[in-house]
Amino acid sequence: QVQLKESGPGLVQPSQTLSLTCTVSGFSLTSYHVSWVRQPPGKGLEWMGVIWTGGSTAYNSLLKSRLSISRDISKSQVFLKMNSLQTEDTATYYCARDWTAAHSFDYWGQGVMVTVSS
Amino acid sequence: DIKMTQSPSSLSASLGERVTISCRASENINNYLSWYQKKEDGSVKLLIYHTSRLQPGAPSRFSGSGSGKDYSLTISGLESEDIATYYCQQGYTPPTFGSGTKLEIK
Repeated sequence: QVQLKESGPGLVQPSQTLSLTCTVSGFSLTSYHVSWVRQPPGKGLEWMGVIWTGGSTAYNSLLKSRLSISRDISKSQVFLKMNSLQTEDTATYYCARDWTAAHSFDYWGQGVMVTVSS
Repeated sequence: DIKMTQSPSSLSASLGERVTISCRASENINNYLSWYQKKEDGSVKLLIYHTSRLQPGAPSRFSGSGSGKDYSLTISGLESEDIATYYCQQGYTPPTFGSGTKLEIK
């Protein structure tokens, strides 16, 4: 049974770094890519970046300077780190299994709401 | 980046009605188009991939079509459980989403 679950702090102060973990089960990170997608309140979905099965990454150009995605295969975990957070980064953050050569996300986590506020 | 223009932004329809949502890409996306359903509880589900392929587990009343820049999602016979927001998404890197269509029951 494929599952993804995000975890991390619900509140982050402005200018600080956000660290989120996506713990997956039912598949291997060496067989499927994993992407991060976020949705600010009242706005649409925004793709943030992907870690490919081989371990390389690709990022949304708007976030590239602040964003890092990594993984621990042995723990079936994917990590997101984004620095210099601002209030505009308040959003629900999702990890999703990215299963085709052209991005398509067949399983999603439940999402974690992150608020950036002092 | 490829821009996805989705319409309408909201839609009110009766139970049993046929509903169509449209999505236009800013360039040819060669059928790399997926549709998602997002419920109020935040859960997201893939309905259609590669324009018209039904994701296993998705109800057969959902169908997709299109080519080139223009794509659509059709619900044949709206059911109460279909109340959600629907998003299209193109598959080239970086993947981009439409702005969403909020579907309500009339």
